[in-house]
Amino acid sequence: NAGVTQTPKFQVLKTGQSMTLQCAQDMNHNSMYWYRQDPGMGLRLIYYSASEGTTDKGEVPNGYNVSRLNKREFSLRLESAAPSQTSVYFCASTSSYNEQFFGPGTRLTVL
Amino acid sequence: RKEVEQDPGPFNVPEGATVAFNCTYSNSASQSFFWYRQDCRKEPKLLMSVYSSGNEDGRFTAQLNRASQYISLLIRDSKLSDSATYLCVVNSFSGTYKYIFGTGTRLKVLA
Repeated sequence: NAGVTQTPKFQVLKTGQSMTLQCAQDMNHNSMYWYRQDPGMGLRLIYYSASEGTTDKGEVPNGYNVSRLNKREFSLRLESAAPSQTSVYFCASTSSYNEQFFGPGTRLTVL
Repeated sequence: RKEVEQDPGPFNVPEGATVAFNCTYSNSASQSFFWYRQDCRKEPKLLMSVYSSGNEDGRFTAQLNRASQYISLLIRDSKLSDSATYLCVVNSFSGTYKYIFGTGTRLKVLA
């Protein structure tokens, strides 16, 4: 089992460009989450999906959209990137014991 | 007041030492508690869940004090490989499960 996978690992964008971060899990988990991690701050929730077909906003959703394509995949889209979105992005899925498992992350720089 | 607070450290300890981290949380309705380990530039990885009765996994012991709203992590016989940032995570349910992450405590084990 690969667990949670994310692509790409690194990305550099110019202000105003768009991109989609991909996440997939093979653990048959219902819930999936997108977080961002910035220096000196804990992980902050961007969006989550409690089950296939549902998505909800987290703490910092502005500037992002998500799609829960199926049970395995949950993507995060930046429509018009801004320097404030420079961060490390983690996708996670949650087991039936409420334990979260994280992907390796995407390091995004917006110039 | 932050929802989850941790001493940022760093804690510099010699190999073989015992070290303890505390974490306080503000939401008395919190239901699940976890310790994660995060290595530099890597994703958080589950170290252990924290149960009401306390639990132990090898050299690691976790305790929960609901009355005082804090959890602790004790590491005995520290190894160089224990050097990492330790994240306290608290989970509560309000329509869906919400995870709040502390900013982490840095540990450096010295030879």
